[in-house]
Amino acid sequence: EAQVTQNPRYLITVTGKKLTVTCSQNMNHEYMSWYRQDPGLGLRQIYYSMNVEVTDKGDVPEGYKVSRKEKRNFPLILESPSPNQTSLYFCASSFRRDRVMAFFGQGTRLTVV
Amino acid sequence: LAKTTQPISMDSYEGQEVNITCSHNNIATNDYITWYQQFPSQGPRFIIQGYKTKVTNEVASLFIPADRKSSTLSLPRVSLSDTAVYYCLVATNGAAGNKLTFGGGTRVLVKP
Repeated sequence: EAQVTQNPRYLITVTGKKLTVTCSQNMNHEYMSWYRQDPGLGLRQIYYSMNVEVTDKGDVPEGYKVSRKEKRNFPLILESPSPNQTSLYFCASSFRRDRVMAFFGQGTRLTVV
Repeated sequence: LAKTTQPISMDSYEGQEVNITCSHNNIATNDYITWYQQFPSQGPRFIIQGYKTKVTNEVASLFIPADRKSSTLSLPRVSLSDTAVYYCLVATNGAAGNKLTFGGGTRVLVKP
């Protein structure tokens, strides 16, 4: 089954404790991205990657890092999480030639206390 | 990026047809119109996309007039499980960065 898999689905952590949210897709998509969704602010792009070893900032990259060492994986790293990063996070992937048709993961609800 | 405007919410009943209209006055020549559906605490799901005229798939129909300044998503015979937020997006496949800009969406509530 074609899918984007995120882990974990839920995470509660403390301020400053480094964490990684994994994202994996099995559709051989070149393009992958991370979004966060907050009430009243909608979905905002954090980082994106056009292909392996190619990443770039989205609208709200501060406090986040990403890497794209393999085509299928695109982890989101929070080196020193803060409470304002409490949010619902989504990973998405698509083909470069059809980027408007994206597949989203199930989401990761992160709470930073 | 073309801005989209759609109603905040709509109520309907099971078995009815739901039509959601989206305005995108500044749509560019290369832009496609795309609709996504999102259930609570789930990721958005692609429903349909079109460029002009009418597109139909197993889930919905998309009507786009000749001037492309608006579009209408039609959900035939809705059921309770169609209760969700529906987003209208205008985006270009060739755009650098490929940011999908999600607006506020239309919250559709299907009642029994």
